[in-house]
Amino acid sequence: AQKVTQAQTEISVVEKEDVTLDCVYETRDTTYYLFWYKQPPSGELVFLIRRNSFDEQNEISGRYSWNFQKSTSSFNFTITASQVVDSAVYFCALSEEGTGFQKLVFGTGTRLLVSP
Amino acid sequence: DAGVIQSPRHEVTEMGQEVTLRCKPISGHDYLFWYRQTMMRGLELLIYFNNNVPIDDSGMPEDRFSAKMPNASFSTLKIQPSEPRDSAVYFCASSTQGTGANVLTFGAGSRLTVL
Repeated sequence: AQKVTQAQTEISVVEKEDVTLDCVYETRDTTYYLFWYKQPPSGELVFLIRRNSFDEQNEISGRYSWNFQKSTSSFNFTITASQVVDSAVYFCALSEEGTGFQKLVFGTGTRLLVSP
Repeated sequence: DAGVIQSPRHEVTEMGQEVTLRCKPISGHDYLFWYRQTMMRGLELLIYFNNNVPIDDSGMPEDRFSAKMPNASFSTLKIQPSEPRDSAVYFCASSTQGTGANVLTFGAGSRLTVL
């Protein structure tokens, strides 16, 4: 069973638009961590955020914000006023207590294209 | 810090040849991970080490794949013999034990093409 689902394969927006990337996860553990990573065209995976299952407080970092809702098993990522430099593939990932938090399971990624 | 360093960045080889990918983790990190990225299967964890000891190699596809970590600053992933289906980007990542789940720092990846 897929543990992390990113249903949006690709999203195209025009610069300055807001965009939300969806992430739905599945786990039986009560303690787990969720992550978002960015993979720009250069190919390297860049860490964006880590959130544990006990902290449902939404987080904002500049133009980035994350909405964690345990009731719907979702951890969505919103970019406000998108820029061309935001073009990348974004991955949501899950780490569970059952694996000692060492196994990071990734979703299939959402490719975001921001055009000028 | 130079980050996680992988070599080679690109490798093109012929089927049946031996391939060795190398990784230097961030100094002080005690966990090292090897991931593979393909279009079909996405990002898969192959194996990870803790303090140079392999902890979980359940993701290693088959006996043709092997990984070693002879010391805290070096790891290799070897494929022998290589096959076209091994073509992928191989990422190395490292982390240090903190509170809860570790944050992985990834290298730039090694793009392998097997003809």
